[in-house]
Amino acid sequence: GAVVSQHPSWVICKSGTSVKIECRSLDFQATTMFWYRQFPKQSLMLMATSNEGSKATYEQGVEKDKFLINHASLTLSTLTVTSAHPEDSSFYICSARDPAGGPSLGYTFGSGTRLTVV
Amino acid sequence: AQSVAQPEDQVNVAEGNPLTVKCTYSVSGNPYLFWYVQYPNRGLQFLLKYITGDNLVKGSYGFEAEFNKSQTSFHLKKPSALVSDSALYFCAVRDGGDNKLTFGGGTRVLVKP
Repeated sequence: GAVVSQHPSWVICKSGTSVKIECRSLDFQATTMFWYRQFPKQSLMLMATSNEGSKATYEQGVEKDKFLINHASLTLSTLTVTSAHPEDSSFYICSARDPAGGPSLGYTFGSGTRLTVV
Repeated sequence: AQSVAQPEDQVNVAEGNPLTVKCTYSVSGNPYLFWYVQYPNRGLQFLLKYITGDNLVKGSYGFEAEFNKSQTSFHLKKPSALVSDSALYFCAVRDGGDNKLTFGGGTRVLVKP
């Protein structure tokens, strides 16, 4: 079945630095990828929709200059948290949609990245 | 705008007893409904979906869900819960004309031996 690989699984960074998270579709080409943020004991909040070769569409309230999303190829999207601060600490999950569909209509999720900013 | 509500933050059930996790939704068009399960520090695993057809949908690991259009509900059920079913469960909806999923707040299930 469709597999989405997300790296790193966890990262600790110093306040003020930038962190890049990668999301790869391993066995399909994903024209659309999604980035979510999950706070402790809370639901997934959609941050942005990433379309290959075009600018990401950000949800209301998400700072696009802080959360840079790049979808340079059909199998790779990256989320860069710029000038990270402790309040950016969270669990980030990517999802990729296989246009071929499948049991889940093609929506496949990465295993998530735990970001801790100190 | 589409939305999903999971009214219970946590559901406790004894092993072997039936498990129900509630979900109601709101969409402007025809709903595509999903259930996912999440284990600690992991991504989401797909359990089942409803698009059209039979209102009772069967999914992975013995789970099933019933679509009720009049009550705009899509409750997840399992006839006999296992300790290993203890996890965080999310209901999600997609408006037929849209591409993104909107998630409910999640329900933590605790199955006690």
